[in-house]
Amino acid sequence: EAGVTQFPSHSVIEKGQTVTLRCDPISGHDNLYWYRRVMGKEIKFLLHFVKESKQDESGMPNNRFLAERTGGTYSTLKVQPAELEDSGVYFCASSQPTTEQFFGPGTRLTVL
Amino acid sequence: LAKTTQPISMDSYEGQEVNITCSHNNIATNDYITWYQQFPSQGPRFIIQGYKTKVTNEVASLFIPADRKSSTLSLPRVSLSDTAVYYCLVGNSGGYQKVTFGTGTKLQVIP
Repeated sequence: EAGVTQFPSHSVIEKGQTVTLRCDPISGHDNLYWYRRVMGKEIKFLLHFVKESKQDESGMPNNRFLAERTGGTYSTLKVQPAELEDSGVYFCASSQPTTEQFFGPGTRLTVL
Repeated sequence: LAKTTQPISMDSYEGQEVNITCSHNNIATNDYITWYQQFPSQGPRFIIQGYKTKVTNEVASLFIPADRKSSTLSLPRVSLSDTAVYYCLVGNSGGYQKVTFGTGTKLQVIP
């Protein structure tokens, strides 16, 4: 069974540009989460989807971040415009209602 | 979500048993204790979860005392490939609850 996949694995952009990260959860997993780790800090929760609906977006840092999950399948996280402090590793995880979360390998974002 | 405290780092020789203890004084009645492992350049990976007493799987054992204010992850006979960061998390069981990561314990296995 394929795990959680994320694309791209690395992204380097300039301040002010837009970047879109993609996450493909494990097939059949209704729950999808986004997390991120900025340099030297702990992994922090960003938001949680149940199917296509946002269940909890309390961790989204500001309105430059937009997450979507079209049709309850894959999800995208767009940062527009990107700032230097957005640099870090963005993780996606998915789960079934009563199982642990399965994490993807992460996308390393560098904003110059 | 209950805050957790665990050692920043630990060293162990190959073949030894490693015990990593996590404190979670404010654990709630319906909270479970979950441990994740993370290798460099990878996402965290679930190791084990428990509520009380002892849980064992093919990878590790988890010991939880009666007051549940702490827990100990036990890795038997570690190898170099067990070098990783280990996170202790406390929260509702299942995948519907966001997880909160602390600093984790960086385990270095020495040949």
